[in-house]
Amino acid sequence: NAGVTQTPKFRILKIGQSMTLQCTQDMNHNYMYWYRQDPGMGLKLIYYSVGAGITDKGEVPNGYNVSRSTTEDFPLRLELAAPSQTSVYFCASSPRDSSNTGELFFGEGSRLTVL
Amino acid sequence: GDSVTQMEGPVTLSEEAFLTINCTYTATGYPSLFWYVQYPGEGLQLLLKATKADDKGSNKGFEATYRKETTSFHLEKGSVQVSDSAVYFCALSGYYGNNRLAFGKGNQVVVIP
Repeated sequence: NAGVTQTPKFRILKIGQSMTLQCTQDMNHNYMYWYRQDPGMGLKLIYYSVGAGITDKGEVPNGYNVSRSTTEDFPLRLELAAPSQTSVYFCASSPRDSSNTGELFFGEGSRLTVL
Repeated sequence: GDSVTQMEGPVTLSEEAFLTINCTYTATGYPSLFWYVQYPGEGLQLLLKATKADDKGSNKGFEATYRKETTSFHLEKGSVQVSDSAVYFCALSGYYGNNRLAFGKGNQVVVIP
């Protein structure tokens, strides 16, 4: 089972460049999320989506954009990369759960360095 | 808003030792509580969860009890193995909705043979 797949796994960018982190899931989950993980800081939510065509900001959305044209895909776009965006990025998905006790399924992460 | 606080610093211990990682939370209402584990080079995966007060979550020898009176969800394991070396995150799901989780900073656990 593929689960949540992220690409690329590693990338080095120069300041000011742009790129897209890809995320796809094959579990037909409604909810998808992008987190960033900085050393000693835990995970911070960047953006999330509750279904195709619907996205919303998390805690740290500045400098990022997302889209959700299909249930499966949730790409994260970095415009004008800055050193502060050096981090490990995790995509996750979750089934719709009205009791709000759902489990998140994570991808393996994408390590981005901005120089 | 909702938040999770984990004890500071990495944890280093010998094989077969007792492990405790402290977690306290601040939340509106009655959140669900989780422990996630991240093995080297991998994404996070759910270790255990508890959805209401006094519930005990357990998995792979790990346990945590949802204590509403002390707003805590401490993780314990009676006898750790080298394979338990990982980063452990406490998290809660509640006020925000849509299964959005608030994570603690994580604790690196290193088990020495």
